[in-house]
Amino acid sequence: DAGVIQSPRHEVTEMGQEVTLRCKPISGHDYLFWYRQTMMRGLELLIYFNNNVPIDDSGMPEDRFSAKMPNASFSTLKIQPSEPRDSAVYFCASSIGGGNQPQHFGDGTRLSIL
Amino acid sequence: AQSVAQPEDQVNVAEGNPLTVKCTYSVSGNPYLFWYVQYPNRGLQFLLKYITGDNLVKGSYGFEAEFNKSQTSFHLKKPSALVSDSALYFCAVSPVYGGGNKLTFGTGTQLKVEL
Repeated sequence: DAGVIQSPRHEVTEMGQEVTLRCKPISGHDYLFWYRQTMMRGLELLIYFNNNVPIDDSGMPEDRFSAKMPNASFSTLKIQPSEPRDSAVYFCASSIGGGNQPQHFGDGTRLSIL
Repeated sequence: AQSVAQPEDQVNVAEGNPLTVKCTYSVSGNPYLFWYVQYPNRGLQFLLKYITGDNLVKGSYGFEAEFNKSQTSFHLKKPSALVSDSALYFCAVSPVYGGGNKLTFGTGTQLKVEL
């Protein structure tokens, strides 16, 4: 079975540029989560969707960050404009059902903003 | 708000010896508890979960965890460690009610198993 697929795996770009991260959840999963992982702050939940609808975006750091889920098989996380402090590994995860179900993580996008 | 504490940044153990990775949690009401493992340059992988019932939960790769409600703990254990178990381990909690399906993760514990 295909797991959660994220692209690109690595992204290096200059400050001020727009960055778009992509995620394809596991087919049939109705929850999708975006996380950010850094050494300083650990694993942070940015936003999550249920049935393509954003439910909680309280973890989105600022207006430069936006996320969409146009359909059940695709989501994007966009940063515009990007800043060096956005450098991190961004993970997408999906799950089926509610809070007692495990989340399945992609292998992440390592983002470096120069 | 819920929280998770993993008091040890790193745990070192010899191959063949038992291992324990500690986790305590704080949540309103009853918890759902999870353990995940992360290998270098990979996403988190689900190991096991506690939902209800038997306090001893068995999971993947020979790992198990014991839920202790009075001590609000959910320690991860394995009877005999392997070098291949070396990885970063995360404990996570979500309240049964009112959590909004959000998991709160601990800061992680690096497990190093040596020959």
